[in-house]
Formats: sequence, C-alpha cells, structure tokens
Amino acid sequence: RKEVEQDPGPFNVPEGATVAFNCTYSNSASQSFFWYRQDCRKEPKLLMSVYSSGNEDGRFTAQLNRASQYISLLIRDSKLSDSATYLCVVTTTSGTYKYIFGTGTRLKVLA
Amino acid sequence: NAGVMQNPRHLVRRRGQEARLRCSPMKGHSHVYWYRQLPEEGLKFMVYLQKENIIDESGMPKERFSAEFPKEGPSILRIQQVVRGDSAAYFCASSKTGNPRTHTDTQYFGPGTRLTVL
Repeated sequence: RKEVEQDPGPFNVPEGATVAFNCTYSNSASQSFFWYRQDCRKEPKLLMSVYSSGNEDGRFTAQLNRASQYISLLIRDSKLSDSATYLCVVTTTSGTYKYIFGTGTRLKVLA
Repeated sequence: NAGVMQNPRHLVRRRGQEARLRCSPMKGHSHVYWYRQLPEEGLKFMVYLQKENIIDESGMPKERFSAEFPKEGPSILRIQQVVRGDSAAYFCASSKTGNPRTHTDTQYFGPGTRLTVL
C-alpha cells in the first residue's frame, strides 16, 4: 500500500462548481499535512496547511480526519485558474522529518 | 525577497556525462531538500541537508548520486555517468527549520531543473 494515495483524476468540472478531493495516508504517526498545487511543468506551490480543526482560506477548505487517516480539500465556486494538479503531502518522522507526496489529483475547470 | 533558486533550469547531457544541479535556498533558510519527479509521477524525496551536513539520504540511489550543501554557496546535486532513466525534473525545496512542531518547517520549492539525457 502506498504511503499517500490520491485519485489521479482528471476531475472535469464546470466553472462555478464545487469539487472535493480526498487523500488517504497509511502512517498513523504522521504529524503535518499540506495541500500543494502544481501547474504543468512548474514547481509545487503551497496552497494550505491542514489543521486538526479544519481550516478555510477563501474558497478553499481543508479537513483532517485522523481516525480514518484521510485529508480532504474542498474548492467552492471553481475558477478556470484553479485548473492544476493538487498534491497531498504528509510528513513522517520515521528517521527524520520529511515530506511524502501523493501522485496528485488533476483538476480541469471548464468554461 | 528572492525565493528558492535553481540553475540551470534545463540541462541536456549525453549518457555517461556528469550533471550538476544547483540550489540556493530562500534567505534565512538553512534546510534543503531535493526531490525527483519522473514524467506523470509524484515527487520522490531524495536527500535532506543542512549546512555541511547530510541529514537523511534515504531516497538517494546508492550509486552515481551525491549531494552537498557547503558552508558557502549553493547546495549541489551531482549525478555521475548519467543514464536515460535519470531524465526527470529535479526540485529543490528549503525550510527555515526541520521541526515539524512549528510552522517554520513549511517547504518552499524552486522552479526545478529539467534534466534530459540523450
């Protein structure tokens, strides 16, 4: 089983739609969680950290469910500019602290 | 406030040559991480360095790959005798600390170096 799993998509949604992605992780000792966004052939950029209580940043809401070991990202009122690959990141402290990336979920917002 | 810088952005090498990839962390950051991304795949951790120290190289191939982060100058990822399978995007990230219990552990990525081996 992969350490971090994501549905690769693509998710094709119309502008204005609400879309949600899930990401599951296998290590119950994981400590920090993030969503990064990666545009085609560019570097990953931090979208938001994910806190235990859930957090919101504008149209984006992230949730963490430690019992079921998954995190989610909800995007409301999708814009064309939201089209990208969304990477789930989980940190592990086995050995040293490092990031484990999911393979990403591709989102295409259609006009 | 410059972000993470990587050069070159594109590098073409023939099989058997050496590739040197450079990374300058964000100002104030002393932790550097290298990742490799193969086409259509996720980012894979390679190595974690602090100034003059390799902290974790568990993701580095055992042969031909090495990394350093000297006291002065950028971090360097070196690939000797490159093969076609080394063709990938290599991303460097930096953070202020490596402590997961603070928010200064967030990693910020450079634009990457795209290595093509002919």
